[in-house]
Amino acid sequence: AQTVTQSQPEMSVQEAETVTLSCTYDTSESDYYLFWYKQPPSRQMILVIRQEAYKQQNATENRFSVNFQKAAKSFSLKISDSQLGDAAMYFCAYTSNRDDKIIFGKGTRLHILP
Amino acid sequence: DTAVSQTPKYLVTQMGNDKSIKCEQNLGHDTMYWYKQDSKKFLKIMFSYNNKELIINETVPNRFSPKSPDKAHLNLHINSLELGDSAVYFCASSPRTAGREYFGPGTRLTVT
Repeated sequence: AQTVTQSQPEMSVQEAETVTLSCTYDTSESDYYLFWYKQPPSRQMILVIRQEAYKQQNATENRFSVNFQKAAKSFSLKISDSQLGDAAMYFCAYTSNRDDKIIFGKGTRLHILP
Repeated sequence: DTAVSQTPKYLVTQMGNDKSIKCEQNLGHDTMYWYKQDSKKFLKIMFSYNNKELIINETVPNRFSPKSPDKAHLNLHINSLELGDSAVYFCASSPRTAGREYFGPGTRLTVT
C-alpha cells in the first residue's frame, strides 16, 4: 500500500531565511504525481507545487522548489526567503495514474518568526 | 473502518442528465468539502460546508449544488451534465474549517 510520511510535525524559520520540509513516500507504482499543499489558517488547501514522477527535473514555483529523489522516494519542499504569509500547515500528497486515490501525509505546521 | 466514503466510485452518464454523488464521514467532523481534480491532477475546491456556513468557489457553475441532509453527509448534485464535467470528484472532511482534511476515495465521473 502507498504511504506518505512527513516526519516533522512542526517547524519554525526566521523571516527571510530558507526552510526545508521533508516528505517520504512508499509506492510500487512507476507513474505517479507528488504534491505539496498549503493550508493557511481558516482556509482551504492550496496547491503549492506539483511533480510528475517521470520528470527528473525538480519542480519550482517562485520561492518554492522541491528536491525529488525518486530512488530514495523522497520529496522535500524548500521555501526560500520565507515570508510571514507562508505560515500554514503543509501537506505532502501522492496520487498515481493507476487509481484515483489521494494519499496525504499528516502535515507539517510551519511557523515564521518575525 | 472507512473514514470518508463516496458512492459511486465510477459514474458514466450522458450529457444533459442530472446525477448525484454521495459522501459520508464517520469522523464526527464539522466541515465537509467537495473538490474537483482536473486532468493534471490538481485539486480545486468547489464547496466547503459546515452547519453554519456554505462557502462556494465562485468559479463553480450553479449546475452544481451541495446538499447536506445531516452533519455526516454532503452530497453533490449536478444538473444538466456537460462533457467538461468529466473529472474525479473528491469529498473531504475536517474537524473544523482549518483542520486537517481527510479525503474520500474519489468518484470518477465520465460524461459522454
